[in-house]
Amino acid sequence: EIVMTQSPATLSVSSGERATLSCRASQTVGSSLAWYQQRPGQAPRLLIYGVSTRATGIPARFSGSGSGTQFTLTISSLQSEDFAVYYCQQYINWPGAFGQGTRLEIK
Amino acid sequence: QLRLQESGPGLVKPSETLSLTCFVSGDSIEGSSQYWGWVRQPPGMGLECVGTVYYTGTAFYNPSLRSRVTISVDTSKNQFSLKLKSVTAADTSVYFCARLHGGPTALSPFDSWGQGTLVTVSS
Repeated sequence: EIVMTQSPATLSVSSGERATLSCRASQTVGSSLAWYQQRPGQAPRLLIYGVSTRATGIPARFSGSGSGTQFTLTISSLQSEDFAVYYCQQYINWPGAFGQGTRLEIK
Repeated sequence: QLRLQESGPGLVKPSETLSLTCFVSGDSIEGSSQYWGWVRQPPGMGLECVGTVYYTGTAFYNPSLRSRVTISVDTSKNQFSLKLKSVTAADTSVYFCARLHGGPTALSPFDSWGQGTLVTVSS
């Protein structure tokens, strides 16, 4: 079973600055990698799929990169609504594991 | 606009069966050519894919839950359902229903979600 590991667990960044979140897979997932944002009390929202394709309606300040086992989500200029928990997910095979999440908080 | 809404008991006793239904509006389960699924999240913890189902009834499950879970679909009512038997406290979670992105692929990103419903397993 593929295990997804996200780092750091918590990231403190100031508004307007860049945030870089990491996700590592225990074995290659090809390009089957997605990122989600979850605000408190809400359902997750799909941000990125296929490593780097933004989902419908997602602002251009969100970008994804990486390949194989190492992936990055970058938020270029943080807005107040971006402070949330972010999850990566592999969907190359079952059970489609998610990472444990990175909490992005205001510095 | 697509909307998914979970419905079911918020409290289930240990050893009993958890049953939830997801009502879909704004899209046709049969006509969408997409899979639909369930994801759960224990309080304060991360996300776990429970399983997915196609309008034909073909379903795929998380191997860790396969012996206890059934996901079914009712295209006439445009809804799909989750049953998880022999529940324990470890099954206490917020359960989300969701639509999978893209074509008829049993495992792909979840692109539209319901608001989620908390199910507590307790006597």
